[in-house]
Amino acid sequence: QPVLTQSSSASASLGSSVKLTCTLSSGHSSYIIAWHQQQPGKAPRYLMKIEGSGSYNKGSGVPDRFSGSSSGADRYLTISNLQSEDEADYYCETWDRNTRVFGGGTKLTVL
Amino acid sequence: EVQLLESGGGLVQPGGSLRLSCAASGFSFSNYGMIWVRQTPGKGLEWVSAIGGSGVTTYYADSVKGRFTISRDNPRNMMYLQMNSLRAEDTAVYYCAKLSEVPSASDYWGQGTLVTVSS
Repeated sequence: QPVLTQSSSASASLGSSVKLTCTLSSGHSSYIIAWHQQQPGKAPRYLMKIEGSGSYNKGSGVPDRFSGSSSGADRYLTISNLQSEDEADYYCETWDRNTRVFGGGTKLTVL
Repeated sequence: EVQLLESGGGLVQPGGSLRLSCAASGFSFSNYGMIWVRQTPGKGLEWVSAIGGSGVTTYYADSVKGRFTISRDNPRNMMYLQMNSLRAEDTAVYYCAKLSEVPSASDYWGQGTLVTVSS
């Protein structure tokens, strides 16, 4: 089954941009993934799906500041013009026929 | 507006049972797969179980296989997770989530319900 690897933490300044990475395990580099945001004390919120081609499809109400891209086994979430409310945990998710996996999450700190 | 509302969490002794419910609204429930995901306090997300729109196909994580049973009642727009033989390591917030159209990401989440397994 696929495995997703994420850096445990990231930080960037208010108003700047940050690019978070989710890496698919060997043999699964073509898989589609989804990104989710979890603000402190809240439930996860779906942000977008990203295909291996780099095309992405955002969820309802997700700001334009959020975008996705892809390179090989890496799937990226880029957040532009960082706001204080973007400080959160970000998880990637993928799925196979009979299983679903999440990455370990990246804690984003907005400085 | 899609809404998912979990209930049924609480404190239970090791070896005990609990049934979680997820009430869905705002979409054609029977047309979509659904999942349960849990999160140990301060830790990451762990997929627990999935069920197809008709309720025929079900899948489980190895950590809960044989102890948990997922089901749904489409006329009532409800999904359930029957949890038996509970262990301390099952302590977590349990979320239900709706799956999107294929390719099926988890596109809507409930607010979660806390299950604590302790004597």
